[in-house]
Amino acid sequence: DTGVSQDPRHKITKRGQNVTFRCDPISEHNRLYWYRQTLGQGPEFLTYFQNEAQLEKSRLLSDRFSAERPKGSFSTLEIQRTEQGDSAMYLCASSVGRDSSSETQYFGPGTRLLVL
Amino acid sequence: RKEVEQDPGPFNVPEGATVAFNCTYSNSASQSFFWYRQDCRKEPKLLMSVYSSGNEDGRFTAQLNRASQYISLLIRDSKLSDSATYLCVVTTKGTNAGKSTFGDGTTLTVKP
Repeated sequence: DTGVSQDPRHKITKRGQNVTFRCDPISEHNRLYWYRQTLGQGPEFLTYFQNEAQLEKSRLLSDRFSAERPKGSFSTLEIQRTEQGDSAMYLCASSVGRDSSSETQYFGPGTRLLVL
Repeated sequence: RKEVEQDPGPFNVPEGATVAFNCTYSNSASQSFFWYRQDCRKEPKLLMSVYSSGNEDGRFTAQLNRASQYISLLIRDSKLSDSATYLCVVTTKGTNAGKSTFGDGTTLTVKP
């Protein structure tokens, strides 16, 4: 399967713990996006990478959230000191091309986080 | 007011019906527009891009009205397999990147 993959698919943690999620984009895709989705809502943009550079971050991304894409391939999203409000589906997407605004984004299956 | 607004539905229609979804966006600088489909507990998948001239893909037709900042999706001859949530997506070109804003989706259930 050459689509976007995410690991883990599910994560249950206790409030206050740190969690890290991984996303492997489609291999030739230079752009990578992180979104958060809660029940009944559309995906909310969190952050965006072009190659290894983090070009945009949402105001939703508090100091407890950090994302990296060190070699321009896979990416990690870490949430420190998790809160119950962090419970959501975390989606990763990737795309390729010269103009990010017109590209199709391909989504991974998501990591479903539950903070107890 | 949300940047991208959709009627949440749900729309419950019989097989074979024609159904239309609407979406409005508030940022006049928006550049690209898409419809994504999301099945229950699955990831979103691109259904179609939306162009000013309108575009059609089989039973699906998408329209864009930039003056009214309005996007529509028409599904003809609905199938049971069309049951899903349809997400309107608007992308604005930033300084370095394009930011995509999703609507909260419109849920469609097609019944036999």
